[in-house]
Amino acid sequence: GNSVTQMEGPVTLSEEAFLTINCTYTATGYPSLFWYVQYPGEGLQLLLKATKADDKGSNKGFEATYRKETTSFHLEKGSVQVSDSAVYFCALSPHSSGNTPLVFGKGTRLSVIA
Amino acid sequence: DTGVSQDPRHKITKRGQNVTFRCDPISEHNRLYWYRQTLGQGPEFLTYFQNEAQLEKSRLLSDRFSAERPKGSFSTLEIQRTEQGDSAMYLCASSPDQGLTGGETQYFGPGTRLLVL
Repeated sequence: GNSVTQMEGPVTLSEEAFLTINCTYTATGYPSLFWYVQYPGEGLQLLLKATKADDKGSNKGFEATYRKETTSFHLEKGSVQVSDSAVYFCALSPHSSGNTPLVFGKGTRLSVIA
Repeated sequence: DTGVSQDPRHKITKRGQNVTFRCDPISEHNRLYWYRQTLGQGPEFLTYFQNEAQLEKSRLLSDRFSAERPKGSFSTLEIQRTEQGDSAMYLCASSPDQGLTGGETQYFGPGTRLLVL
């Protein structure tokens, strides 16, 4: 079946620190991969995505590379800000069946302190 | 375009009552999804529609849950005889048609938070 495993939080970092949130997946076929972010009191927003192996998604200084050989899609940012404090969800959308609801990880809460 | 909207934003009900939630997708989006999110967990898929056709409903949590999208625009999710375990955030998302390779972005609404007393 399809599943997503991401590192458990909470993660607490100082401003300007380097961020990595690990995400690995299990899927049949060749899924698309996503990172969604949920800021306090707001709905889920797409942060970035990649639809095939070796693609790199990027947005707002965040990056993630689709690694088929390690079935991973780790989220990175070189210098976090207090405004990045949120819950981050890794997700996949299977292609093969045409049935494409998202499968989410449990989320990782990030707190950035000044 | 104001994005995906959901109504109500909050609902408190007593055990055994029926509740209905509404979702209005982005106007040009043919696909509409319902998810449930409990505290500390990622969203869990419930059901989805392509226009008015419900393509998958086996993930609905029990026969107390049902969803409709009668004219291919807005959708409703109904929970009958609510139980305390139904307390959660119910999320709606919409997307354009999925191409053969999938990967279309799903846009989420703010959610309806349900509390069953």
